[in-house]
Amino acid sequence: SQQGEEDPQALSIQEGENATMNCSYKTSINNLQWYRQNSGRGLVHLILIRSNEREKHSGRLRVTLDTSKKSSSLLITASRAADTASYFCATRSISGGSNYKLTFGKGTLLTVNP
Amino acid sequence: GAGVSQSPSNKVTEKGKDVELRCDPISGHTALYWYRQRLGQGLEFLIYFQGNSAPDKSGLPSDRFSAERTGESVSTLTIQRTQQEDSAVYLCASSFGTGGTYEQYFGPGTRLTVT
Repeated sequence: SQQGEEDPQALSIQEGENATMNCSYKTSINNLQWYRQNSGRGLVHLILIRSNEREKHSGRLRVTLDTSKKSSSLLITASRAADTASYFCATRSISGGSNYKLTFGKGTLLTVNP
Repeated sequence: GAGVSQSPSNKVTEKGKDVELRCDPISGHTALYWYRQRLGQGLEFLIYFQGNSAPDKSGLPSDRFSAERTGESVSTLTIQRTQQEDSAVYLCASSFGTGGTYEQYFGPGTRLTVT
């Protein structure tokens, strides 16, 4: 079953604008990761935030995590046409027996118009 | 070094036929994962291998699905008597370990179409 749920399902913005995507999850997690997928093929790891962290930055990416609300957000600043892709959040459970599993949401399709 | 590779990149098969998908993980990565992604959906976990431990097959949707891995190298995912609902992209990933913060590296996937 899908734990993460991203919203919006689709987002269309102009180049230079910021894009914000949200993810909600249901169970306690060890960490939350964001991935990007171009053209429905392989995923690329973007950033990982641990359950004891609240905010993390990587280049133009900013991720926040609110474990009390079981939610995360991914902000892409100064977007570029090349950022057009699907973005997925994935959670890693704290359950000792299966903490290797990543549970993915359905993704947000981001379109950045030049 | 090379990333995760998968073959074939595309496979079209007739309903009822068997298919075999291959994954070559990154050298030295002990963990290997298979996922399925239906059109417009997220990734569904299928199976996980870690070294010589027994694989976690809990995500396999039916007994028509099976997978093998020899040591810490190549893995094959076999789907027998394919059905149209098996049409999806099958993604393989590998990681150096399985601790909480190890990143999974994904291959480009195999797009399976069952006609």
